[in-house]
Amino acid sequence: EAGVVQSPRYKIIEKKQPVAFWCNPISGHNTLYWYRQNLGQGPELLIRYENEEAVDDSQLPKDRFSAERLKGVDSTLKIQPAELGDSAVYLCASSKTNSGRGYEQYFGPGTRLTVT
Amino acid sequence: QKEVEQNSGPLSVPEGAIASLNCTYSDRVSQSFFWYRQYSGKSPELIMSIYSNGDKEDGRFTAQLNKASQYVSLLIRDSQPSDSATYLCAAISSGSARQLTFGSGTQLTVLP
Repeated sequence: EAGVVQSPRYKIIEKKQPVAFWCNPISGHNTLYWYRQNLGQGPELLIRYENEEAVDDSQLPKDRFSAERLKGVDSTLKIQPAELGDSAVYLCASSKTNSGRGYEQYFGPGTRLTVT
Repeated sequence: QKEVEQNSGPLSVPEGAIASLNCTYSDRVSQSFFWYRQYSGKSPELIMSIYSNGDKEDGRFTAQLNKASQYVSLLIRDSQPSDSATYLCAAISSGSARQLTFGSGTQLTVLP
């Protein structure tokens, strides 16, 4: 079974520029998550999708961050404009609802963003 | 107060020893708990999940859960240098189903 796919793996941009991250979840996983991980910290949830619906975006800085999950599969997370403090690793994860496995989440390789 | 607390370490153990990693959580209603392993520069990898009080064993790994004490632990038997990584404890919070709250991680080094 293929894992969660993310691209790009690395991105370096100047502040105030836009950036977008893409995620393809594990086949059959209807729940998709975007996390941000700062150095030395655990991942922090930005947004959770159940199929196409964003059901938890309370941690998403909506003034500059946006996300979409068209057709309930792939998802894109966008930052516009980027700030220096956005430098972090952006992780996508997926899980299968009602799998009987307690919402186990599987992570993609992440995108390391550096804002200069 | 952080909802999931871990000793940040670093924790060093000799090869072949038992490594013990500990985690406490503040949300008494949390029901599901997970341990993730994260190698430097890599993403978290799920290694154990536990939902009931007691022990759960998987190979060299044993997860222990004590809901009364709000305590979760991970034991790694016969530690190997390849086990050197940061171990993240996570809990499903009661406020939002499937929202994982992570601790900051414990860095483990297994010395050859």
